[in-house]
Amino acid sequence: GAVVSQHPSWVICKSGTSVKIECRSLDFQATTMFWYRQFPKQSLMLMATSNEGSKATYEQGVEKDKFLINHASLTLSTLTVTSAHPEDSSFYICSANRRGSYEQYFGPGTRLTVT
Amino acid sequence: SQQGEEDPQALSIQEGENATMNCSYKTSINNLQWYRQNSGRGLVHLILIRSNEREKHSGRLRVTLDTSKKSSSLLITASRAADTASYFCASGLGSGAGSYQLTFGKGTKLSVIP
Repeated sequence: GAVVSQHPSWVICKSGTSVKIECRSLDFQATTMFWYRQFPKQSLMLMATSNEGSKATYEQGVEKDKFLINHASLTLSTLTVTSAHPEDSSFYICSANRRGSYEQYFGPGTRLTVT
Repeated sequence: SQQGEEDPQALSIQEGENATMNCSYKTSINNLQWYRQNSGRGLVHLILIRSNEREKHSGRLRVTLDTSKKSSSLLITASRAADTASYFCASGLGSGAGSYQLTFGKGTKLSVIP
């Protein structure tokens, strides 16, 4: 298989605090990991692409200082939402590629609610 | 990135019927993929079709690709209630800086009524 986990599955935090979301590939090495955001009843919007050991590439309109991405190893990437605001409330999903494969394996998602 | 379009946005059918979903995209691609998402969950990869392929089968799934029309279709035969989910197409460039990135369509919400 190709299993990707995310932690936590849901989190509630207060405005102004920071939240870290972890994405792990459990049984394969992920050369590339992707972070998406999904609003209710909408499609996935790519936020950033991260490769192990290098800086993430952010999509236009995504604030890199607000959404910090660290791809520390071939099995772990983290997304930190800094100084969260209610408008950051969303469903965040990560995915990962195996080396040389175009298929993406998705984590179960993290629902963030900022109060 | 520009998203593709899927139609219909929502589809409701009886169990046992076939479901057809269509997808259009805007740029030249290397591959096109279909994913399924159950409500509030992550996505599950269903099938990948390369730009030099015209049709591909996987179990009850049949995918076609027409690169001249920049469109693809997903057919689910003999649908089951468990097929109820949202289905997304995703196009991949396969080259350049974003070679492994995918651009997702807006999705079709399929409801299969028992």
